Amino acid sequence: EDQVTQSPEALRLQEGESSSLNCSYTVSGLRGLFWYRQDPGKGPEFLFTLYSAGEEKEKERLKATLTKKESFLHITAPKPEDSATYLCAVRPTGNQFYFGTGTSLTVIP
Amino acid sequence: GAGVSQSPSNKVTEKGKDVELRCDPISGHTALYWYRQSLGQGLEFLIYFQGNSAPDKSGLPSDRFSAERTGGSVSTLTIQRTQQEDSAVYLCASSRTGSINTEAFFGQGTRLTVV
Repeated sequence: EDQVTQSPEALRLQEGESSSLNCSYTVSGLRGLFWYRQDPGKGPEFLFTLYSAGEEKEKERLKATLTKKESFLHITAPKPEDSATYLCAVRPTGNQFYFGTGTSLTVIP
Repeated sequence: GAGVSQSPSNKVTEKGKDVELRCDPISGHTALYWYRQSLGQGLEFLIYFQGNSAPDKSGLPSDRFSAERTGGSVSTLTIQRTQQEDSAVYLCASSRTGSINTEAFFGQGTRLTVV
């Protein structure tokens, strides 16, 4: 069965304290791994797509990496405005994205 | 439009009533998805539309749920005889194509509360 597991469920960081979020997956035939950010009361906002092991993408303080079994979202020197829930999703063969339950990130000033 | 638009943003309905949720995808996007997000739960796939192909309805939880997409653009998700367990945020997303490595862009969601 295709599964996506994110860890930790919640993470509290001091402003400037770098860390990583993990997304591990078991899917048959990965075609893309997607990272989203979701703020309370809003829909998920697209961040990155990764297609193959070894690929990296960056945006401001965020960097996403991909291996054959997992993806990491590295947050460098986070700011309070980075506080949100970060979701990863995979798209194996078929018509749907499979989402993890997310990591709730809180950055304390 | 600039993004995926959903309406209403909030809906409170009485148990047993029917509701309609609307999604206006990004112009030119051929693929459209409906997902449901319950408190503390991940996103649950409901239905997928791609162009003129028959929709993938494999995620619809019961026959009380249905959806249509008119003219390859606007979509309506209908829930008949609503139950309290239908309370959730209903999210619509669209993709430029149905290709499986294409990202989806989400709307703000409709928060449905069944009382």
